[in-house]
Amino acid sequence: AQTVTQSQPEMSVQEAETVTLSCTYDTSESNYYLFWYKQPPSRQMILVIRQEAYKQQNATENRFSVNFQKAAKSFSLKISDSQLGDTAMYFCASHTGTASKLTFGTGTRLQVTL
Amino acid sequence: NAGVTQTPKFQVLKTGQSMTLQCAQDMNHEYMSWYRQDPGMGLRLIHYSVGAGITDQGEVPNGYNVSRSTTEDFPLRLLSAAPSQTSVYFCASSRGQGSYGYTFGSGTRLTVV
Repeated sequence: AQTVTQSQPEMSVQEAETVTLSCTYDTSESNYYLFWYKQPPSRQMILVIRQEAYKQQNATENRFSVNFQKAAKSFSLKISDSQLGDTAMYFCASHTGTASKLTFGTGTRLQVTL
Repeated sequence: NAGVTQTPKFQVLKTGQSMTLQCAQDMNHEYMSWYRQDPGMGLRLIHYSVGAGITDQGEVPNGYNVSRSTTEDFPLRLLSAAPSQTSVYFCASSRGQGSYGYTFGSGTRLTVV
């Protein structure tokens, strides 16, 4: 069974600063994918970034990047130059082909302040 | 370019009533799924489908039925609503089996009184 753990229920960061959200996961599969989703107050689930487990290079998408530590089963999200629009709930999720589903963590609520 | 369309956006039901949450996607995705989101618990999988005519249970399937007669549509049926089914429901779709990431609908907030 897959599990995803987000140990930070809430975080706060000032505008223009950098923040890192933590995520650990557990899976017995060798082929899996990891994701970060953003859920703003509008409730829409938005894919932020995707990491393929067999790729050692950390994924980046503009101001968003990950630190993927496969041996430690850690998958943290770094947001650089934080903006007010980054205020949202962030979910870490894992997917394996054999399970055919996304397993989500419980989320981290990020507040960006002036 | 609608993506995943869910209806309705809000619904209030009385205990024991039945209803169907609609989900349609126009991206020709094989994979569709239903999740529920409850405070402090993330999103949990209810049912999923890997193609027309094929459905399977997720981790919280009790009280819900699904069918997949076409690639585009994947309705979720509540046969006899209970207060424990008060939640936000999301439909999601993906090409392949989900390794590219899912596209989510905008969600349905359901309250059972």
